[in-house]
Amino acid sequence: NAGVTQTPKFQVLKTGQSMTLQCAQDMNHEYMSWYRQDPGMGLRLIHYSVGAGITDQGEVPNGYNVSRSTTEDFPLRLLSAAPSQTSVYFCASTLYRGQVAFFGQGTRLTVV
Amino acid sequence: AQSVTQPDIHITVSEGASLELRCNYSYGATPYLFWYVQSPGQGLQLLLKYFSGDTLVQGIKGFEAEFKRSQSSFNLRKPSVHWSDAAEYFCALIDSNYQLIWGAGTKLIIKP
Repeated sequence: NAGVTQTPKFQVLKTGQSMTLQCAQDMNHEYMSWYRQDPGMGLRLIHYSVGAGITDQGEVPNGYNVSRSTTEDFPLRLLSAAPSQTSVYFCASTLYRGQVAFFGQGTRLTVV
Repeated sequence: AQSVTQPDIHITVSEGASLELRCNYSYGATPYLFWYVQSPGQGLQLLLKYFSGDTLVQGIKGFEAEFKRSQSSFNLRKPSVHWSDAAEYFCALIDSNYQLIWGAGTKLIIKP
């Protein structure tokens, strides 16, 4: 049982480059979300989705786009990377909102 | 405003000693509360949760937490820590919009 799978685990980008962080879950969860983790700040919600075709902004959405074309996949796109986006990114899924969240292993992104 | 506070950024404990990690919350009603653990380079794993009922909650790996409404606290405890418990611990609650609100985390260091 894979759970929540994130790729890549590590990435270095140059300022202005774009990339997509992949997230897939095999638990048939409706709710998926993306967080960034910065030292001393806990996790901050970037975007979330309550089901296929539905996405919404979280606390820190600027500079990121998401889409949810299937229940399983929830990619996060950085359109023009900035050094302020250097962080560790986590994808999480939940059967329904308000339930226990399952997390991927994280993607450590460095923007130079 | 809804918030979670973990007052201790770092805690150092000797192996075999008891542990208590503090978590205070601000929420207007009875919250849903969680403790997650993050081992180095890993994602977050649920230790335990409190939704309702018995205020002393048992979790995995020998951890427990006690919900105290009068003190707005949900402290995590373990009677005897092991070197493998070295990790970062996060307290979180679910807010009125079903979003997770996170504390900043407490890093646990184990002395041999």
